[in-house]
Amino acid sequence: GQNIDQPTEMTATEGAIVQINCTYQTSGFNGLFWYQQHAGEAPTFLSYNVLDGLEEKGRFSSFLSRSKGYSYLLLKELQRKDSASYLCAVSTGGATNKLIFGTGTLLAVQP
Amino acid sequence: EPEVTQTPSHQVTQMGQEVILRCVPISNHLYFYWYRQILGQKVEFLVSFYNNEISEKSEIFDDQFSVERPDGSNFTLKIRSTKLEDSAMYFCAAPRGTGDPTPGYTFGSGTRLTVV
Repeated sequence: GQNIDQPTEMTATEGAIVQINCTYQTSGFNGLFWYQQHAGEAPTFLSYNVLDGLEEKGRFSSFLSRSKGYSYLLLKELQRKDSASYLCAVSTGGATNKLIFGTGTLLAVQP
Repeated sequence: EPEVTQTPSHQVTQMGQEVILRCVPISNHLYFYWYRQILGQKVEFLVSFYNNEISEKSEIFDDQFSVERPDGSNFTLKIRSTKLEDSAMYFCAAPRGTGDPTPGYTFGSGTRLTVV
């Protein structure tokens, strides 16, 4: 089966650091994505990991451990505009390479 | 951006009516996907379309759904007889790189379908 788990909600303070975890069990794996989604809008691409380790892009970093089926998204220097849902998604590979999404983590950044 | 645009942004339809959702324009993309997101729920894969054929469809994509690329650019999702439970945001997606299914997808702005 396909299963992707992430916390439903998190709260953090402006200027702080927050880590959003994701665990997955999928029938195929061709990379893990993190998307940001504001209410009523489309997901926007944040990061992609296909090899183990850390990928850093500005205030956002993403980590992957394929052996553990685990990833996290790290957001630094939080801003109010970072309040959104963060979606973990696994690309299943194969001919289709479709994405399987987790339920998303709703992050609230408080002043 | 955006590489993928969708119309209409919002559609209200009566139960049992047919709706057509569109991705316009698309160029130089070989892979296309439709996803949907019921309010408050996760994004779900519906169907993938490669080289003008369906390559995979989910259990959600039953006989009421169809996809076409009628003129080489527009990419449509049709729901023949809408049900209340079809109310959702529908997203078209295409790979970020031309003809390359990795490393990520660009999602269209979405169509909010409301079935009443």
